[in-house]
Amino acid sequence: AQSVTQPDIHITVSEGASLELRCNYSYGATPYLFWYVQSPGQGLQLLLKYFSGDTLVQGIKGFEAEFKRSQSSFNLRKPSVHWSDAAEYFCAVGFGDYKLSFGAGTTVTVRA
Amino acid sequence: SAVISQKPSRDICQRGTSLTIQCQVDSQVTMMFWYRQQPGQSLTLIATANQGSEATYESGFVIDKFPISRPNLTFSTLTVSNMSPEDSSIYLCSVSDRGSYGYTFGSGTRLTVV
Repeated sequence: AQSVTQPDIHITVSEGASLELRCNYSYGATPYLFWYVQSPGQGLQLLLKYFSGDTLVQGIKGFEAEFKRSQSSFNLRKPSVHWSDAAEYFCAVGFGDYKLSFGAGTTVTVRA
Repeated sequence: SAVISQKPSRDICQRGTSLTIQCQVDSQVTMMFWYRQQPGQSLTLIATANQGSEATYESGFVIDKFPISRPNLTFSTLTVSNMSPEDSSIYLCSVSDRGSYGYTFGSGTRLTVV
């Protein structure tokens, strides 16, 4: 069955420290992969996406993600977080039928 | 990428009433999607709205409860019917932007049913 898993419900990170958010999927082929961010009371903003090609994808706000086919993963990273990065992060996967399936989300808290 | 205008941004409604949410896109798109985000939860797809055909509903969602219209390639509405407090959620529309192979989301409608 097709599925999207974000194993970490909540991550707390110090400002200036690095951040990595995990996303795993279950699918027989390479899906379309996305990371979205949702700030409190806001809609979803696309951070980056992967369809094919270079497996290291650069996005907005200094984020990057790496697709690893062997691990069925698409983890999001940022080398140095800012207080404004505190938000909810969603991994989303397109399994080829134009619909997106979302992971449960990871809440990121940034401490001073 | 497409720009979506979603209205209303929020509303407080009495149980038993209905609310219609509008989604306007600044360009013609083939596929529009409606999602629900319950408090503290992730997004769940309600239905896919294609112009000129009936909406396709996901498991657990029915047309009588969530009727959808798609009169043209830039506009869609979702109605939440006979509301109960359990319908309190954020409802978001989304479009598939095939030109950029991405999905754009509206800012959402925060619905509270009392």
